[in-house]
Parts: sequence; structure tokens; C-alpha cells
Amino acid sequence: QLQLQESGPGLVKPSETPSLTCTVFGGSISSTTYLWGWIRQPPGEGLEWIGSIYYSGSTNYNPSLQSRVTISVDTSKNQFSLRLSSVTAADTAIYYCARSMLTANYMDVWGKGTTVTVSS
Amino acid sequence: DIQMTQSPSTLSASVGDSVTITCRASQIINSWLAWYQQKPGKAPKLLIHKASSLQSGVPSRFSGSGSGTEFTLTISSLQPDDFATYYCQQYISYPLTFGGGSKVEI
Repeated sequence: QLQLQESGPGLVKPSETPSLTCTVFGGSISSTTYLWGWIRQPPGEGLEWIGSIYYSGSTNYNPSLQSRVTISVDTSKNQFSLRLSSVTAADTAIYYCARSMLTANYMDVWGKGTTVTVSS
Repeated sequence: DIQMTQSPSTLSASVGDSVTITCRASQIINSWLAWYQQKPGKAPKLLIHKASSLQSGVPSRFSGSGSGTEFTLTISSLQPDDFATYYCQQYISYPLTFGGGSKVEI
């Protein structure tokens, strides 16, 4: 059964560029069927899609974050990663990674999430 | 961006009730809509995709309907495990967008 596990720095300072990683267990990130994405949820708020990547490295980003976001994939480690530059308190959130179908972009498998808190 | 608007934002109900949540899209999205359930401290869980297709393992008391711009999620005979927040999501175009959520509480 496919499982996703996020890892991240937890607490970061404003203006830093944290990196988060999602490790895929029980399946291959190199599948031609799926996309791999990041979604975040600020405390007490709703869900915001950040972006997605295909195993080849092709990406799609939310225009609201595009200037600060980089999503990359490492097929040798079965991982994909998120870098978010110049963070502020507004980036404090739970960050989830998820799998979606290449042909139908709903998220059928989610990680448990990792909290990123931006504070000096 | 396609805006997704859910109503109500909060719904009070009792075990055994039938409840309906509405999701409206700012543009036609055909049937490219998913519904998720989220419990406190947990990741969202996919319930329904393509507006009305029940995800494997999801109880049949959950159902979805609609197409175009208006969609509904119905939970028949509400169970204690169903008290949660529900989100809709469109996936016809990027950026993928979610509704603001509908909390079903006792």
C-alpha cells in the first residue's frame, strides 16, 4: 500500500528558504500514471494547492506562489521536494504531500503532513 | 483562477440525520470535482471524484451529484465518525482550487 511521508525543518526564521521532502513508500515515484504534489493548510484555515511534479521533472505551480516555489524530484531516492523562498509568518502551515492521477488531478493518497512554523 | 464556494460553512446535525453540502464553481468544471473529509489533526481523505464516483472503501452513505457549476455532497444517516470538515476541489484546470470547507458538527 502506497504511503507518503513528509519531513521538514519544523521551525524556520523569516526570509529563510526551507526545504521539505516527501518520501514515497510502497510504490515508484517513476510511475507514468501519477503526479506528485504539495498542498498546505494554515492553522485553522482551508487547503491551498502549491504545485505538482511529474517524475520527468515537469512542474505546475500555483501562480500565487510561483515566484517563491521550486518542486523537484529525485527518482533514485523515490522522493520529491519543495523549496519555498523568503518565507514569512504567512507561510506557517501544515504542508502535505499527495499523489494525484496524471489524467485526473484529484489527490487519492496523502501524507500525514509536516508543520512549518515561521518565527524569529 | 476558478473559485470554489461551499455552503454552509458550518452545519449542526445529529446521528442519523441526512445532510447536504453544496459546492459552487465560478466557471463550468463539467464533472471534474472531488470531495474530501478532514478530521482534526489528520490529512484530508478522498471521498468522491468525478463529482459522483465513490472512492474505494468509502461507505455508501456518502454520495455526490452535480455537473457544470453546482455540486452536492450528501451523507445519509450520519454516523459519529462523519463529524468532520468537508472540502470540494476542482481539477479541470490549474491552479487546482479548494472550497473553504464545511464543518459538520453535533
